[in-house]
Amino acid sequence: KAGVTQTPRYLIKTRGQQVTLSCSPISGHRSVSWYQQTPGQGLQFLFEYFSETQRNKGNFPGRFSGRQFSNSRSEMNVSTLELGDSALYLCASSWTAPEVVNTEAFFGQGTRLTVV
Amino acid sequence: DAKTTQPTSMDCAEGRAANLPCNHSTISGNEYVYWYRQIHSQGPQYIIHGLKNNETNEMASLIITEDRKSSTLILPHATLRDTAVYYCIVRPRSGGGADGLTFGKGTHLIIQP
Repeated sequence: KAGVTQTPRYLIKTRGQQVTLSCSPISGHRSVSWYQQTPGQGLQFLFEYFSETQRNKGNFPGRFSGRQFSNSRSEMNVSTLELGDSALYLCASSWTAPEVVNTEAFFGQGTRLTVV
Repeated sequence: DAKTTQPTSMDCAEGRAANLPCNHSTISGNEYVYWYRQIHSQGPQYIIHGLKNNETNEMASLIITEDRKSSTLILPHATLRDTAVYYCIVRPRSGGGADGLTFGKGTHLIIQP
C-alpha cells in the first residue's frame, strides 16, 4: 500500500512570498498532522486535522495555516515567508477516529523548504 | 505531556543488542510510552508503544519499569541500517496518531561495523 506522499520534495522561495505544501495520506487514514523540523528546534507540532476539521494546533503564528479536503488530502500554507521558516515540513497520517486511540503514525519524506 | 530524558548519543556494535534508555519520571497513569526513530533525511518511523507491560514486535522490545518512571527500547540484533535518532515520547491515553506529539532531542544511535 502506498505510503504518505508529500509534494514537492524541495522548494526554494523568497522572503515575503507564500507557499503551499501538499500531503496525501495513506488510503483510509482520516487524521493528518503536520510538523516542522529545524536543526535548532527539532520536530515541532504544527496542527492536526481529522475529517476536514482542525482538532489541535501547536504554538505557531497565524502565518501557518492548513486545511483538509474530503478525500483526507491536506495542504499547509505559510504566508509572508521569513528566513526562519526554512525547515523540513513533515506530514503524518494515521487511522484515528474518536473511538480509536493510541494508533501509530506514518510519516512522509517531508518537503524541504528553503527561504532566501 | 510528560517530559522525557534520553542520552544524547550511543554506540553499539553491529550484531549486538542495542539498549536505549529513557527516563519519564513524571509520567501519569493515563500516559503511554511511544518510540519513534528517524533515519537521516527521512520522516520518523514508528517502532513500538506500551502502557505498563513489556511489549515486543518484529522491530524491537520495550521494557517499562514497574513504577513506569523509565523504559528501555531494545533492538535485539542491531544492523548498520538501525543508525538513526531514536525518540522516546509519552502521550495521553486519549491521544492518537501523530496528534500533538512532543519530540525531544532523542538519542543518536550509531551502529559500528
